[in-house]
Amino acid sequence: QVQLVQSGAEVEKPGASLTLSCKASGYTFTDYFLHWVRQAPGQGLEWMGWLNPLSGGTNYAQKFQGRVTMTRDTPISTGYMELSRLRSDDTAVYYCARSYDSSDEAFDIWGQGTMVTVSS
Amino acid sequence: QAVLTQPASLSASPGASASLTCTLHSGINVGTYRIYWYQQKPGSPPHYLLRYKSDSDNQQASGVPSRFSGSKDASANAGILLISGLQSEDEADYYCLIWHSNAWVFGGGTKVTVL
Repeated sequence: QVQLVQSGAEVEKPGASLTLSCKASGYTFTDYFLHWVRQAPGQGLEWMGWLNPLSGGTNYAQKFQGRVTMTRDTPISTGYMELSRLRSDDTAVYYCARSYDSSDEAFDIWGQGTMVTVSS
Repeated sequence: QAVLTQPASLSASPGASASLTCTLHSGINVGTYRIYWYQQKPGSPPHYLLRYKSDSDNQQASGVPSRFSGSKDASANAGILLISGLQSEDEADYYCLIWHSNAWVFGGGTKVTVL
């Protein structure tokens, strides 16, 4: 079945960097954009950006520009999201999600989420 | 003023209808946007429900019951998610989403309680 499986929980120190992964299965990886969305504890959803797995092109939310990098490894149908210079307010559940179009179609399949804790 | 504003909470009885609003910033026109709606239950990722722009441009996600429907109130500059015949399983957080100024923007979410 179509699914996105994310890497496991992480605990990082302030100032560090982290890389999360999102492995796609059940569909052609390069046919769909891959988005990253985060949710701080008890808070709402926040879009971070998208990756075009076909071209490697990206579009990052202004808030995260300079701190986030999205990449992919197409032979293994996996997308990655690196976030640098971590702060305590980066503590959140991070989700990957796919959409058929970058700006005009729904995020129809979501990963299970990865809990990231930033703490000294 | 936020781009999308949703009421923080809403309570309704089983079997009743619940109308969830997603009000757009006064500087943008709801008529030009596709509005996407998501349901999220505790400990789970969001689940796509539907998209609504107009009666001719809308989409119900696969497996989503028809008692979930979308519409707009142009006078209020708002998108609406209507849940008819509320069930206990509908208790969840609901988020709206639009594509605006080269970015995806979520509303703050509405927590629906079924009393």
